[in-house]
Amino acid sequence: GAVVSQHPSRVICKSGTSVKIECRSLDFQATTMFWYRQFPKQSLMLMATSNEGSKATYEQGVEKDKFLINHASLTLSTLTVTSAHPEDSSFYICSALQVGSSYEQYFGPGTRLTVT
Amino acid sequence: RKEVEQDPGPFNVPEGATVAFNCTYSNSASQSFFWYRQDCRKEPKLLMSVYSSGNEDGRFTAQLNRASQYISLLIRDSKLSDSATYLCVVNTRHNQGGKLIFGQGTELSVKP
Repeated sequence: GAVVSQHPSRVICKSGTSVKIECRSLDFQATTMFWYRQFPKQSLMLMATSNEGSKATYEQGVEKDKFLINHASLTLSTLTVTSAHPEDSSFYICSALQVGSSYEQYFGPGTRLTVT
Repeated sequence: RKEVEQDPGPFNVPEGATVAFNCTYSNSASQSFFWYRQDCRKEPKLLMSVYSSGNEDGRFTAQLNRASQYISLLIRDSKLSDSATYLCVVNTRHNQGGKLIFGQGTELSVKP
């Protein structure tokens, strides 16, 4: 149980285009999902907290107009990187918190984004 | 100062060795503490929670010292499969209901 999927697992796009990453909780409902970014040899950094049916809360330094988050249902959150640039190339990982439980965040397998 | 700091590593040890990882955190309001394991190019996976009384799970022992804001992980009889990056993680809320703050990780390589 408690499986989180991400799609795509890997994407290469050209500079200036937008990329959408999906995060799904497959066998549970998640009121809260988190989006993290990890650059090579660095740790995970929280970008934003996504709550179902409300606006996401962004961490300091993360541009909300560049990283659009939508959490339209209890099993799906999407992150759209708009006007991507090479410096946005990173490993994007989501996690989900099960409804009624705050014990553990379940992580998706991550999406590796390369912007050329 | 980083909120969570770990030994920089990498640690290169032979099979069967005992290895210890240290971690300090800066926010005294931190409520919950964890060790995660991350394999190369994969997502982090929860290894164990850390409790004030200390806790053990097989070959893994975690300790927490709230007074000195220090967390440790001890791995005994290390296996090749233990090779990974170990992440120290804290949360200012109980359990994982809030924001997880990750350390930069300590890389472990266990050699035959």
